[in-house]
Formats: sequence, C-alpha cells, structure tokens
Amino acid sequence: DTGVSQNPRHKITKRGQNVTFRCDPISEHNRLYWYRQTLGQGPEFLTYFQNEAQLEKSRLLSDRFSAERPKGSFSTLEIQRTEQGDSAMYLCASRAGGQGSRTDTQYFGPGTRLTVL
Amino acid sequence: GQNIDQPTEMTATEGAIVQINCTYQTSGFNGLFWYQQHAGEAPTFLSYNVLDGLEEKGRFSSFLSRSKGYSYLLLKELQMKDSASYLCAVRERNSGGYQKVTFGTGTKLQVIP
Repeated sequence: DTGVSQNPRHKITKRGQNVTFRCDPISEHNRLYWYRQTLGQGPEFLTYFQNEAQLEKSRLLSDRFSAERPKGSFSTLEIQRTEQGDSAMYLCASRAGGQGSRTDTQYFGPGTRLTVL
Repeated sequence: GQNIDQPTEMTATEGAIVQINCTYQTSGFNGLFWYQQHAGEAPTFLSYNVLDGLEEKGRFSSFLSRSKGYSYLLLKELQMKDSASYLCAVRERNSGGYQKVTFGTGTKLQVIP
C-alpha cells in the first residue's frame, strides 16, 4: 500500500453513460497525475496537477474527459458519454514537490478498472 | 516527445541473474525510473537514476548512461515472485518547464523453476 487510494476499484458501465473516479493522494504530496493503461501497454499520461492547478493535459484527453482537484487534495476524473474504447485501467499517482530521489518518485494508487459494455 | 524501447518478454531461471535493457530518445532528460508491475496491480517504484552510473538496492540494480540514452535493470538471485512486468519510465522537462514522465510498454519477465 503506497498511501494513494482510488475509488471505485472496478466500474462497469454501459456505453454513453458518464463515470467519475476519485483519487486521494498521499497527504503531503502536492503533485497528482492521472494515467490510463491498457493490456500489454505502459501507463499513458493523461493530466497533471500541482496543488489545484491543472498544468498539463495530454492530447489523449478528449473533450469527454475532465479532471479536477478543487482543494489541492483529492482529484476526480470524469468521462462523459463513455465509449468501448475507454475501457482501461485508470491510474492515479502522486509525488512530493522539490528535487531529489525521494520527492521525484511518483507513487501509484491501485487503479480503477473501467469496463464499458 | 520521446521513444522508449524495451524487450517485450524475457524468461529466466530461478536463482539466476537477468538484465532488462531500456533505450530512450528524448530532449530535456531529467531522470529515469524503473517500476515493477504484477498483473492486475499498480506499478510499484524500484529505482531512480538521474546521473550516470549504477544504483544498487538489494537484489536490484539500475544503470544509466545519459550519453547513450541507455539504462538497464539488473535482478539478481531471481525468485518466482519476481515474475512481473518491468516498466522503464523517462522524465523530461518540456518547453513549458513542466516535467512529464513517459512509460515504456514494459518487459514481461517470467521466472521459471
């Protein structure tokens, strides 16, 4: 257990429905990342927060995807009008700010596995 | 952008040593990570290199050559529980000054008795 939690762990939904995932990072970490991972691939970067500011978004993040981190603590990732291609593991990671091996490392949560039928 | 290449699969024998290579091409290199990922689980941090050389941590060591865009992860005294995917990840500082980590596709290691 890295200290990063995600809910729910599994989500099955029908195509066209909206889904929302939550990530609670390690409490003193001000950086938060969302990734998507499909079978046999490495995690693909989606978006990055420093405190409450969303500083980076991947081109993979279509307008159906939105992420927030309103108070600089937990974050939510919403997918609207889900498609079968959205089926994947959605991973959240956090890290502390500053330089050095300890603070540079991202620690991952257990992920939310999304299945779109 | 960047390219990260690592072998797709490897097989090694329990008790042996295995080396997993990773090559990368990037501008603004700012660190390389190795993560272990068991099937259906999240990646867990193994090692971090930002300077050239070897970092040793128990049975695991990681090497970096920035001039060659090359790293390897060395696993000694292999155990069955080491069967997992090993992800190479490179961090770069982009034009906006933000640091982005890009993962390779992973090397699936199977340890056999």
